[in-house]
Amino acid sequence: DAGVIQSPRHEVTEMGQEVTLRCKPISGHNSLFWYRQTMMRGLELLIYFNNNVPIDDSGMPEDRFSAKMPNASFSTLKIQPSEPRDSAVYFCASSFGRINQPQHFGDGTRLSIL
Amino acid sequence: SQELEQSPQSLIVQEGKNLTINCTSSKTLYGLYWYKQKYGEGLIFLMMLQKGGEEKSHEKITAKLDEKKQQSSLHITASQPSHAGIYLCGAEMDTGRRALTFGSGTRLQVQP
Repeated sequence: DAGVIQSPRHEVTEMGQEVTLRCKPISGHNSLFWYRQTMMRGLELLIYFNNNVPIDDSGMPEDRFSAKMPNASFSTLKIQPSEPRDSAVYFCASSFGRINQPQHFGDGTRLSIL
Repeated sequence: SQELEQSPQSLIVQEGKNLTINCTSSKTLYGLYWYKQKYGEGLIFLMMLQKGGEEKSHEKITAKLDEKKQQSSLHITASQPSHAGIYLCGAEMDTGRRALTFGSGTRLQVQP
């Protein structure tokens, strides 16, 4: 079975540029999560969706970050404009929407902002 | 996250030795998940614990959740080089909030 698919795997861009990260959740999962991992802060939640609706975006750092989920099989995380401090590994995870269901993670996008 | 403390931060063991990793919270945990991560890769789900006193095993890895649901341990028996990686505990800290709060991770090296 296909797992969570993220693209691109690596992204290097200059500060000020727009960055778009993409995620395809596991088919049938109706909860989707975006996390960010850094050495300093570890793994932290940015936003999560349930049935394509954003439920908790309290982890989104600032207005430069936005996330959408136009349908059950696709989500994007956009940074505009990007800054060097946004450099991190961004993970997407999905799960069934019921409680106590494990989240399954993609391989992540390693983002470097120069 | 300071809400979820993992110890030790890193661990080097000889192949064949047993080891334990701990995950502690000051709050009640409503679901506790253990993941393994290798460098440059995503998190692999290992086990989930829900009930106080629950214990689960998979191959040589056993995870337990204490009765108060504030501490979990991950125990590896007869470690192998394939067990090397970063082990992360993640927890649902509030009822109804499905996003996970993660510990800072334990980096495990197994020397042949």
